[in-house]
Amino acid sequence: AQSVTQLDSHVSVSEGTPVLLRCNYSSSYSPSLFWYVQHPNKGLQLLLKYTSAATLVKGINGFEAEFKKSETSFHLTKPSAHMSDAAEYFCVVSPPGSARQLTFGSGTQLTVLP
Amino acid sequence: NAGVTQTPKFRVLKTGQSMTLLCAQDMNHEYMYWYRQDPGMGLRLIHYSVGEGTTAKGEVPDGYNVSRLKKQNFLLGLESAAPSQTSVYFCASSYIQGQGLNTEAFFGQGTRLTVV
Repeated sequence: AQSVTQLDSHVSVSEGTPVLLRCNYSSSYSPSLFWYVQHPNKGLQLLLKYTSAATLVKGINGFEAEFKKSETSFHLTKPSAHMSDAAEYFCVVSPPGSARQLTFGSGTQLTVLP
Repeated sequence: NAGVTQTPKFRVLKTGQSMTLLCAQDMNHEYMYWYRQDPGMGLRLIHYSVGEGTTAKGEVPDGYNVSRLKKQNFLLGLESAAPSQTSVYFCASSYIQGQGLNTEAFFGQGTRLTVV
């Protein structure tokens, strides 16, 4: 069994300040982990993914995430928020070799204040 | 390169009507999925397919049927629509790399369905 918990349903930051979106997971196996972004009325776009290689993963648009097995966490960070980062973010977990078992978190809505 | 294409993008149905949502992918992916997205609940898997001619139930399959007659297409059917099926529907596709590593899922733009 696997599950994913996004610890904050809403996060507000000021433009130019750091972003932290938190994700904890539970999995019976060493999982693959993903972060997706969804802008209003759009589909989901992959930000980054962890698939058992380097634990610090860099993604698009300056985002990165660190896989911490001991803490079962995969938090998403960005050093400096931009107005265009305002969107909903989803953390996703999947056991290796089982693409059908993608499990989504409930999402974190990021607001960027001017 | 189109990726994953969903049709239609919007639809309003009356309770009891039927409809089919079409998903097409041009990436030769083996796996295809249908999700529904509801506020505060993330995406929930309705049905999925691991190859042409095969389908399986996901987390919330009731009231939906699917077919995968061709590798590139995955159809989602609602036989008798209910207001509880008002949602945004996403299709996705993916594949498994060597060594059993999962790739990401590629998503369509979504279909916004309202059942009145």
